[in-house]
Amino acid sequence: EVQLVESGGGLVQPGGSLRLSCSASGFIFSQYWMTWVRQAPGKALEWVANVKHDGRETYYKESVKGRFTISRDNARNSLFLQMNSLRADDTATYYCARAPRSTNCFDQWGQGTQVSVSS
Amino acid sequence: DTQLTQSPSSLSAFVGDRVTITCRASQGIDSYLVWYQQKPGKAPNLLIHGASTLQSGVPSRFSGSGSGTEFTLTISSLQPEDSATYYCHQLKSYPYTFGQGTKLEIK
Repeated sequence: EVQLVESGGGLVQPGGSLRLSCSASGFIFSQYWMTWVRQAPGKALEWVANVKHDGRETYYKESVKGRFTISRDNARNSLFLQMNSLRADDTATYYCARAPRSTNCFDQWGQGTQVSVSS
Repeated sequence: DTQLTQSPSSLSAFVGDRVTITCRASQGIDSYLVWYQQKPGKAPNLLIHGASTLQSGVPSRFSGSGSGTEFTLTISSLQPEDSATYYCHQLKSYPYTFGQGTKLEIK
């Protein structure tokens, strides 16, 4: 069974940092692109970043470029999102998801981890 | 950026009704269009990819169609468990974008 489990969320002050993790199991992690998607309270889904299966290519939403870094450790079946210079509008539930290139979709999602940016 | 506009933003229908949700893209995205269902407090669930391919395990009452800039999600016979918010999503080009969502309620 495919499982994605996020962790690392919490309350942080504006300008602070957080590192989100996503632990994957039930599939060959190193063969899949992975993604982070967020959802502010009561709002629509918003794509944040993608990373290629080997970690050599990354793509970001414009508003997080230079502040967020997506990375992965295939030996540990783990995906990460380092978030720096956090702002109030980064407040959201952050989901990791599997992004198979064969079907161009996000086919498996974690349960999400909440990030709140507030003073 | 490719904007996705869903209509309606919300709707209410009876069990057994046929329901259609539309997603319009601001530029052509071929068939790189996906539909998700999301229930309150839960992660999205993939329904359809490639505009019309039903994801394994998804009931056959769900179907998708379209290409280019106009797409539809149809539920042929609405069931109580279909109460949810539905999102379209394009993966033709970065930045990937989602529609604003359509909230479906059962009367």
